[in-house]
Parts: sequence; structure tokens; C-alpha cells
Amino acid sequence: GAVVSQHPSWVICKSGTSVKIECRSLDFQATTMFWYRQFPKQSLMLMATSNEGSKATYEQGVEKDKFLINHASLTLSTLTVTSAHPEDSSFYICSARDRVAGGGEQYFGPGTRLTVT
Amino acid sequence: AQSVTQPDIHITVSEGASLELRCNYSYGATPYLFWYVQSPGQGLQLLLKYFSGDTLVQGIKGFEAEFKRSQSSFNLRKPSVHWSDAAEYFCAVGARAGGYNKLIFGAGTRLAVHP
Repeated sequence: GAVVSQHPSWVICKSGTSVKIECRSLDFQATTMFWYRQFPKQSLMLMATSNEGSKATYEQGVEKDKFLINHASLTLSTLTVTSAHPEDSSFYICSARDRVAGGGEQYFGPGTRLTVT
Repeated sequence: AQSVTQPDIHITVSEGASLELRCNYSYGATPYLFWYVQSPGQGLQLLLKYFSGDTLVQGIKGFEAEFKRSQSSFNLRKPSVHWSDAAEYFCAVGARAGGYNKLIFGAGTRLAVHP
């Protein structure tokens, strides 16, 4: 149980284009999902917290107009990187918190590797 | 402010040897503490967590961790390391009051296992 999927697992896009990454909780409902960014050999940096049916909360320094987050249902959140640039190349990881189960832990997706050329 | 320190960036052990990965945290109240493991190109898998109660926590894959409030530490241990344990290990702290809405991760410790 508690499986989180991400799609795509990797994507290459040209500079200036936009790319959408999906995060799905497969066997539980998640009122809250989180988006992280991880640079090579570094730790995870929280970008934003996504709550179902409301606007995402962005961490300081994260451009909300560049990283658009939508949490339209209890099982799906999307991150859209708009007008991507090479510096946006990174490993993006989402996580989800089970609405029903206690414990407060987050279940992580396998990540999406974005390369902007 | 909440923070997590993992002093060891890289550790190498021989297969079958014991392992201890260090984690120190800074948080005003009793924290939620987690250890995650990340294999190359993969997401994070929860090894174990501490919320309250017994300060010695058992996790998956033979790992355990001990919460020591006096030292603000939550070190991860394993008595005998297997080659498949080679990975990146992250310690994390979460806020407690009213549930938490984010995890603060340490920088990670990369574990290499020699045969």
C-alpha cells in the first residue's frame, strides 16, 4: 500500500517550452502533496506544499509563476515548469500524505528527471 | 529554526561490518524524526520513524535508530551491512504541532559497501 507514482520518469525538453509532471497516489487519498527538487548529490529541497482544492504554498525563493502546481483531486497533483531553462534541469520528487492514516509520514514518488536543452 | 545535520557526507564499510549513520537535529519541541533511503535515480523509501514512546525504533531491512533527546540525535544503525545497503541515506525532521506540513532533510550520507 501507500504507493505514489510520477509521470514521466524522465523528460527532455527544449529551452522555452513547458513541461508537466504528474504525481498520483495510487491506493490512498492525499489531501496534501509536496514537491521537492534535488540537485545531483544533494539533499531534497521543498519547493511547495499542495493542498487539494486550494492554492499551493511555495517556499521562499521558489517562483510560483514558473512552477505551477495544481492539486485538482485527492489523488493527483501536477507540477508544470513553464518556460523551462537549462538551470531548471533537476530531479523532481513528489510525496503525498495519507488523508486517513495517522502517523503524518510522507510517501515518495520515484522522481522525474528533467533535462532542458 | 528547524535543521538537520548529517556530519558524514560519505561512509565506506565492509560487507558484514556494523554501521552507524549520525543525525543531529535542531527543533524547539519534541520532533518527528525519520530516516529515508534513496537508491540511485529512485525516490525515497522510509526506513523508520520516531514520533513518541520507545526511543529505540526498529525499521525495515534490519535498521534501527535511537532518539536521544539530551544529544539531539537520531542515529541510524545496522549490525551487519549487506552490499545492497549501498545508497544515500537522509535524516529528516518534521514539525509536530497540528500535524506537520513539511519535512526538513539533512544533506544525506552516501554509503558505499566493500565486498
